[in-house]
Amino acid sequence: DTAVSQTPKYLVTQMGNDKSIKCEQNLGHDTMYWYKQDSKKFLKIMFSYNNKELIINETVPNRFSPKSPDKAHLNLHINSLELGDSAVYFCASSQGQGQYFGPGTRLTVT
Amino acid sequence: AQRVTQPEKLLSVFKGAPVELKCNYSYSGSPELFWYVQYSRQRLQLLLRHISRESIKGFTADLNKGETSFHLKKPFAQEEDSAMYYCALSEDNYGQNFVFGPGTRLSVLP
Repeated sequence: DTAVSQTPKYLVTQMGNDKSIKCEQNLGHDTMYWYKQDSKKFLKIMFSYNNKELIINETVPNRFSPKSPDKAHLNLHINSLELGDSAVYFCASSQGQGQYFGPGTRLTVT
Repeated sequence: AQRVTQPEKLLSVFKGAPVELKCNYSYSGSPELFWYVQYSRQRLQLLLRHISRESIKGFTADLNKGETSFHLKKPFAQEEDSAMYYCALSEDNYGQNFVFGPGTRLSVLP
């Protein structure tokens, strides 16, 4: 069974559009995260979400917003997409030690 | 603020040679340290954590608080070890201060 899943795997869209990436974890973890991995493979945490408490990386533009309908899901909404948003986005979850990552969503903005 | 550095962007070794991926951190408290691995076009996977003192796929890492280091070592590199390796630090269980290093690409040559 897949522990952390993301959809879609690939997303190609035009500048200015609004898109969402879904994330689900079946591990029963309390905390979920979104990361952005840029073209140089640098990983940056964007959000962490625990028991309805959202911790935001202050460098993340407010065009990005996480939404958690329940404990097992943390979706990422992106408004007014820009070229610089092109990257791979990873969802992750944790319960104590270490994090479990999703397969990633490769977002390409044209 | 905590910070994780990996001084080598790229490390190339021959098959069978020892390998050491360096990681240094700056943090005033007692952090939790991890190593993650990302094989080509795959998700990040937790490789090992310092509190477990485990050996995974022949890799070990010792936390040296005096030198604030958590170097990853393997005595005999294999071609399948070629991947991106990220050192990561967590201040707590909720990812509020979970920080990844910039990553080191390990290339094991035949």
